[in-house]
Amino acid sequence: QKEVEQNSGPLSVPEGAIASLNCTYSDRGSQSFFWYRQYSGKSPELIMFIYSNGDKEDGRFTAQLNKASQYVSLLIRDSQPSDSATYLCAVNFLNTGNQFYFGTGTSLTVIP
Amino acid sequence: GAGVSQSPRYKVAKRGQDVALRCDPISGHVSLFWYQQALGQGPEFLTYFQNEAQLDKSGLPSDRFFAERPEGSVSTLKIQRTQQEDSAVYLCASSRLNNPYNEQFFGPGTRLTVL
Repeated sequence: QKEVEQNSGPLSVPEGAIASLNCTYSDRGSQSFFWYRQYSGKSPELIMFIYSNGDKEDGRFTAQLNKASQYVSLLIRDSQPSDSATYLCAVNFLNTGNQFYFGTGTSLTVIP
Repeated sequence: GAGVSQSPRYKVAKRGQDVALRCDPISGHVSLFWYQQALGQGPEFLTYFQNEAQLDKSGLPSDRFFAERPEGSVSTLKIQRTQQEDSAVYLCASSRLNNPYNEQFFGPGTRLTVL
């Protein structure tokens, strides 16, 4: 059973639209949630992190966390072609050490 | 400052060969993680260190995999008697502190191809 689930996509949105990326995780204690962006052939780079229920905004990015529903999402406003990448959801579960559990990633394409 | 570096960037090995992959974390980072990323998949945890101590190696797929960080800085992931299923990108990440709220910074990875 996978610990972290993401829709693999591909997700296509027109330039300037809002892209919505979703992630669910298994029924275990969870502590911290991270969104990474990975361009093809490159290493993951951090976009945002969130620890508490609710919304967290950083520029064009908003992370939303609902622990009761075991759901974390990433919204990208005013999507740009440079946002085209794979977005990885990473979760740290309580009592599993400090490692992250990643989803398979969602491929996003922003169409000019 | 310098990020996480890994070497080699690409490695081709014949089945049965031993390989060693190196990771230089960001200076002063306490935690170091190794992940394996297969094509089209997310990174999967292999093992992690706090300074020189290997705190968790539960993700290592077999006893052919071995990791060390003898001086609490550079780490080496060794794979003995490589198999085709070992072909993947091996990512190293480091974190400033030893807690789950810290961002992990990833290196460029080593792409291993076993023929």
